[in-house]
Amino acid sequence: AQSVTQLGSHVSVSEGALVLLRCNYSSSVPPYLFWYVQYPNQGLQLLLKYTSAATLVKGINGFEAEFKKSETSFHLTKPSAHMSDAAEYFCAVSEPNYGQNFVFGPGTRLSVLP
Amino acid sequence: DGGITQSPKYLFRKEGQNVTLSCEQNLNHDAMYWYRQDPGQGLRLIYYSQIVNDFQKGDIAEGYSVSREKKESFPLTVTSAQKNPTAFYLCASTRGSLSGANVLTFGAGSRLTVL
Repeated sequence: AQSVTQLGSHVSVSEGALVLLRCNYSSSVPPYLFWYVQYPNQGLQLLLKYTSAATLVKGINGFEAEFKKSETSFHLTKPSAHMSDAAEYFCAVSEPNYGQNFVFGPGTRLSVLP
Repeated sequence: DGGITQSPKYLFRKEGQNVTLSCEQNLNHDAMYWYRQDPGQGLRLIYYSQIVNDFQKGDIAEGYSVSREKKESFPLTVTSAQKNPTAFYLCASTRGSLSGANVLTFGAGSRLTVL
């Protein structure tokens, strides 16, 4: 069965600092991978996705993530944090040929300090 | 613009009452999903439907029921059998391709509080 772990339920960074949110997955085959962002009392919005093309994926709002098969990781980064990046971030996976089934990580809450 | 509409946004229920959460999409998506979100637990799948008049249980279906009579609509009923229904409920949809990289589109959510 697939599973997703996100190291750190809460991450704090200073405005302008590097953002690094970690995601590791377990899957029998290379999966599709996603990062979603959620602002308080709202639904989830797609930041970026990996679908077996380029391993470095660029998303919205300056975020990017790199798929590393050897490490079974898909960490999310942003070079310079902005106050508006404060939100909860979820990593998710789905398996090719089972595209209906998604497994989410527990989420990481990002705080951005002035 | 296309999207998913969930209503109501906030709902209060007394113990022992059934409540129904509405989810409507105009994206022409085939597959629809209901997730429950609790703090620190991510999203847990309640039910999903790939086509009209068909749906499957997810990981935490007990105490919930759904219907899919129309492609656009996938209402969720939280029954009195659900022991701890206070949560944030999210509806989502995808095109439903069996092999492609489906992307979930989410509604804004409904927050249910049991008094």
